[in-house]
Amino acid sequence: EAGVTQSPTHLIKTRGQQATLRCSPISGHTSVYWYQQALGLGLQFLLWYDEGEERNRGNFPPRFSGRQFPNYSSELNVNALELEDSALYLCASSLGSGLVVRTDTQYFGPGTRLTVL
Amino acid sequence: EDQVTQSPEALRLQEGESSSLNCSYTVSGLRGLFWYRQDPGKGPEFLFTLYSAGEEKEKERLKATLTKKESFLHITAPKPEDSATYLCAVQARDDKIIFGKGTRLHILP
Repeated sequence: EAGVTQSPTHLIKTRGQQATLRCSPISGHTSVYWYQQALGLGLQFLLWYDEGEERNRGNFPPRFSGRQFPNYSSELNVNALELEDSALYLCASSLGSGLVVRTDTQYFGPGTRLTVL
Repeated sequence: EDQVTQSPEALRLQEGESSSLNCSYTVSGLRGLFWYRQDPGKGPEFLFTLYSAGEEKEKERLKATLTKKESFLHITAPKPEDSATYLCAVQARDDKIIFGKGTRLHILP
């Protein structure tokens, strides 16, 4: 069974540009999570999509946005890139959480390394 | 404020030398605690999910335990291939997920 896939593997942009990162979840998973892992910092929760809707977002400015498509794949957009946006962006998927009390396990993709020059 | 603190930041052990990694958490309404292993340049690999105090889970040389304030990842007779960064994360009542900064484990042959 294929795991979570992310594209591109590496992305180089300049300040002020926009970046688009893509994620395909494990088959059957309806929840997608996005994280930022900057050098020296822990994973920072960015966004959570479930069944096509944004369920929660972390403490990031509005220029970080995304969406989830009907096939449950997801896109993360970062507008007006800043130098400090350089990081590994990780996507994870899980079975839909919905109103289930127990949290489903998240499985991570290999990440997209974004470098802002 | 919800918080996850892992200790130590780094740990060097001889092969076969057992030890424990700690994950202390302060969270409003724990929905789940997760342990992951992350190798350099790769995404985290799922190890365990714990839901309630007293719960324990094992996998090969690893055993995770959970209390109301912390979780331990016990490593028994580690091997060099166990070298990695081990991450702890919690999901709070508001569904936000908070990761600790990890413990870098290095097992010397």
